[in-house]
Amino acid sequence: GQSLEQPSEVTAVEGAIVQINCTYQTSGFYGLSWYQQHDGGAPTFLSYNALDGLEETGRFSSFLSRSDSYGYLLLQELQMKDSASYFCAVSSSSGGSYIPTFGRGTSLIVHP
Amino acid sequence: EAEVAQSPRYKITEKSQAVAFWCDPISGHATLYWYRQILGQGPELLVQFQDESVVDDSQLPKDRFSAERLKGVDSTLKIQPAELGDSAMYLCASSVDRNSGNTIYFGEGSWLTVV
Repeated sequence: GQSLEQPSEVTAVEGAIVQINCTYQTSGFYGLSWYQQHDGGAPTFLSYNALDGLEETGRFSSFLSRSDSYGYLLLQELQMKDSASYFCAVSSSSGGSYIPTFGRGTSLIVHP
Repeated sequence: EAEVAQSPRYKITEKSQAVAFWCDPISGHATLYWYRQILGQGPELLVQFQDESVVDDSQLPKDRFSAERLKGVDSTLKIQPAELGDSAMYLCASSVDRNSGNTIYFGEGSWLTVV
């Protein structure tokens, strides 16, 4: 089976840096994605890592270590609008397709 | 910007009744997903289509849930009969193809409340 672990809640202040960790167990691992979801809204894609290392997209960066089955999302220069839930999702191969499976999500609360 | 369209946005139904949700993916996207998200949890895959064919429906409760994508474009998810535990948000998503499962685009979701 598959499992993903991420903290349920993280709090930080505006302007700070925060890291949201994700560990996973899966067979046929293909890549790790991150999604953001504001209350009442739909998840939106943030980043994707298939290879080890750091991917940077503006204020957001994502890291993957395949050997450790571990990744993280790094948010810099936090803004109030970054308060949302963040989900890591593993893509694993199944019958020729890549099936995305989501974690339970981390609620990020940004304080002024 | 192209979006995944879903309807209805909100639905309240009595238990044992039938309910249906509709989804129109981004034009040209061959792969369509239905997810269920319970408040405070992550999306859980119910069914994945590649064009009109089911790729994975291992988590779909087939005694009461059904999904179809007859012409390989829009899709319908049906629940009959609805149970109290089905109250959740039903999310439709699409990707270019099944090898692009790392980047999927979600609709706004259909909130279901079963009373």
